[in-house]
Amino acid sequence: DAGVTQSPTHLIKTRGQQVTLRCSPKSGHDTVSWYQQALGQGPQFIFQYYEEEERQRGNFPDRFSGHQFPNYSSELNVNALLLGDSALYLCASSPPGVDGYTFGSGTRLTVV
Amino acid sequence: GESVGLHLPTLSVQEGDNSIINCAYSNSASDYFIWYKQESGKGPQFIIDIRSNMDKRQGQRVTVLLNKTVKHLSLQIAATQPGDSAVYFCAENPWGNLIFGKGTKLSVKP
Repeated sequence: DAGVTQSPTHLIKTRGQQVTLRCSPKSGHDTVSWYQQALGQGPQFIFQYYEEEERQRGNFPDRFSGHQFPNYSSELNVNALLLGDSALYLCASSPPGVDGYTFGSGTRLTVV
Repeated sequence: GESVGLHLPTLSVQEGDNSIINCAYSNSASDYFIWYKQESGKGPQFIIDIRSNMDKRQGQRVTVLLNKTVKHLSLQIAATQPGDSAVYFCAENPWGNLIFGKGTKLSVKP
């Protein structure tokens, strides 16, 4: 049983560009959350998707947007990239009615 | 792989000793707490969780203690092994999403 899978694993972008990161949740999980982890810091909540809608959002600008598809997979889009957006982006999924979260290995985004 | 342990508090223990990692949480409304282990280049891995109606929960070699009065969590690892070397995060869940603490890097000396 595959866990949470994220793609790509590494990505280098230039300031001002746009990026799309992808996440497939663990089988049986219907809720997907995205986190940003800067080097040496704990993950910071970006937003959560459930039933193809954004259910909660953390303190991130609207340059950060997302989408959830009918198969529960999700995308994170970041527009107008800044150097400070360089981080590990983590996707976590959870099953219906359960608080537990399973994390993927993340996408390492470097903005130059 | 990249390191997630830069500038984090570090706990160094001898192999076979017990480890205690502490965490202060911020939100009195939190009713669910989780400890995660994160190895270099990987995502956080679930270790153990506890709900606010409990003050202690035990797993295999790990115990979590919760003190709601002072908003404090601790993770105890018995007979620490080299494979336990990683960064450990506590997380609280007040509103359906996770708020992570700063993390502690555990280094196990053989």
